[in-house]
Amino acid sequence: NAGVMQNPRHLVRRRGQEARLRCSPMKGHSHVYWYRQLPEEGLKFMVYLQKENIIDESGMPKERFSAEFPKEGPSILRIQQVVRGDSAAYFCASSRERPGHYIDEQYFGPGTRLTVT
Amino acid sequence: AQSVTQLDSHVSVSEGTPVLLRCNYSSSYSPSLFWYVQHPNKGLQLLLKYTSAATLVKGINGFEAEFKKSETSFHLTKPSAHMSDAAEYFCVVSDRSGYALNFGKGTSLLVTP
Repeated sequence: NAGVMQNPRHLVRRRGQEARLRCSPMKGHSHVYWYRQLPEEGLKFMVYLQKENIIDESGMPKERFSAEFPKEGPSILRIQQVVRGDSAAYFCASSRERPGHYIDEQYFGPGTRLTVT
Repeated sequence: AQSVTQLDSHVSVSEGTPVLLRCNYSSSYSPSLFWYVQHPNKGLQLLLKYTSAATLVKGINGFEAEFKKSETSFHLTKPSAHMSDAAEYFCVVSDRSGYALNFGKGTSLLVTP
């Protein structure tokens, strides 16, 4: 049973280019979360998606960042016109359907390390 | 608002001795609290979680944590460290939504022979 898959594991982009980070949730999971870890910081919540819906994007920067989770295929975190400050580790997590207010476990991927030169 | 503070960025113990990783939290409501572990080049793995049931929570690999509301602490302990316990440990609090997790900066655990 494969865990959460993220690719690429390492991504290098020049300033102004676009970065696309992919996340395939665990089998049977329909909820995806993206987190960012800046150097010397803990992970910070960015966005919560279900299939074809953005549920909560309160942690996303207002500009240049977008996320999607299409009906088919992986979730994509897209960063347009990257800047040096976008250099970070980006983690994806997934969970099962959450009945009521049950706090279901989030399973994390290994992360994508983005370096902007 | 809610936040977590991990009091030690690095902890070093000898194999077979107890482990204590300290975590304090602040929250305006009754939070859910977690400890995650990250081994090199691996994803984050949930060790244990507290969700307002028993205050002493037992997790995997012999770890446990005690929720102390009066001290706003959620320290992680293990009676006897193994070499395989060497990793980065994160204390985590959920926000009011229940799904947005707030991570501490992490504690790097080193286990020496």
